Amino acid sequence: GAVVSQHPSRVICKSGTSVKIECRSLDFQATTMFWYRQFPKKSLMLMATSNEGSKATYEQGVEKDKFLINHASLTLSTLTVTSAHPEDSSFYICSARVARGVQETQYFGPGTRLLVL
Amino acid sequence: DAKTTQPNSMESNEEEPVHLPCNHSTISGTDYIHWYRQLPSQGPEYVIHGLTSNVNNRMASLAIAEDRKSSTLILHRATLRDAAVYYCILQGGSEKLVFGKGTKLTVNP
Repeated sequence: GAVVSQHPSRVICKSGTSVKIECRSLDFQATTMFWYRQFPKKSLMLMATSNEGSKATYEQGVEKDKFLINHASLTLSTLTVTSAHPEDSSFYICSARVARGVQETQYFGPGTRLLVL
Repeated sequence: DAKTTQPNSMESNEEEPVHLPCNHSTISGTDYIHWYRQLPSQGPEYVIHGLTSNVNNRMASLAIAEDRKSSTLILHRATLRDAAVYYCILQGGSEKLVFGKGTKLTVNP
């Protein structure tokens, strides 16, 4: 199967600092990657869709200036949480889309747990 | 986004089969039915997907109703490692995956 990695797996930062999370597709090229956020005991919420070489598409209510997404290559997308605040503490999960035949399947990374103090 | 309805929780005993239902009465002709599961503190894991015909893989089986308005994920012999939240999601073409609340499966030893 397709493998997606994330780094770091967990991070603690001070309020006001910025944090970068990397998402890599290890054994395939992904033209499209997705970023989700998940609060405790809640379902995944899609934040944005990241396309290689173009600007990300953000879901309604997600601040694009706060959550900067860069998809510079077919195997790497990054999410930067700028000026992080305690309410940004969450589990951030990326996924990459793979085309298998006529249907595309998404594979998810293991997630990054962010704690903002 | 097409909607699905799943029970909030289900319980099973180890080594017994589990049938996880999903209703999707508003499914369109081009929507695929995807199942993912999420173990605690991990990203979702792809389980299986199908369009019209029943599907089998090493993890599970997917039974799709003839009218496609419902489907059932079948775990043939539940193990403790199958305890997770199972998500049934409809996806048309290149649309994004939108997660609902899923079904929390508890497997009793």
